[in-house]
Amino acid sequence: QLQLQESGPGLVKPWETLSLTCTVAAGPIISTNYFWAWIRQPPGKGLEWIGSIYHSGGTYYSPSLKSRATMSVDTSNNQFSLKVTSVTAADTAVYYCARHFWPRQSTCYFDYWGQGNLVTVSS
Amino acid sequence: SYEVTQPPSVSVSPGQTASITCSGDKLRDKNVCWYQQKPGQSPVLVIYQDIRRPTGIPERFSGSKSGNTATLTISGTQAMDEADYHCQAWDTDIVLFGGGTKLTVL
Repeated sequence: QLQLQESGPGLVKPWETLSLTCTVAAGPIISTNYFWAWIRQPPGKGLEWIGSIYHSGGTYYSPSLKSRATMSVDTSNNQFSLKVTSVTAADTAVYYCARHFWPRQSTCYFDYWGQGNLVTVSS
Repeated sequence: SYEVTQPPSVSVSPGQTASITCSGDKLRDKNVCWYQQKPGQSPVLVIYQDIRRPTGIPERFSGSKSGNTATLTISGTQAMDEADYHCQAWDTDIVLFGGGTKLTVL
């Protein structure tokens, strides 16, 4: 069974850069039609898609975060990463990584999720 | 910008049928997915492509769509079904989630 695990600091200072890595285990990160995504959830609120990356490096981002978010992929280590610059308290959330089925013809869904990493933005 | 909308909360008695809706202007032309999220846990996919159920999801969970409204139906609701439910669709190059619906089993 595919497993995803987020890693990164739980506390980031305002205006600094948030960095997270997701390690994919028990399955290849190179899979046709599968992207790898970051999704966040502020405390007590709904889910927000941040962006998705293909194993070739192609990316799609949410318009609300596009100017501050950057994703990258490391196929040799089966990992992908997220950086969000100039963070504020509004970026405080549980950050999830997930596998994203997206053949870009009709359906798309997230079928495997990490356990989540709470990131708090505070001085 | 494109949005999908859910009611904030739905209540149901044990054994009854719960219905959670998801509405959006272009939803008739989009595939909708549904996720269940229990407190402190990661979301779990329960419906994809409007009506399909992943392996391991109980048959009491079903999906449907009429016009621009998708519906998640839970038949014979059990106490263990109390959770937040999120709908999800995509448009052009953007993935969208609804705001989530808290299902309370009274």
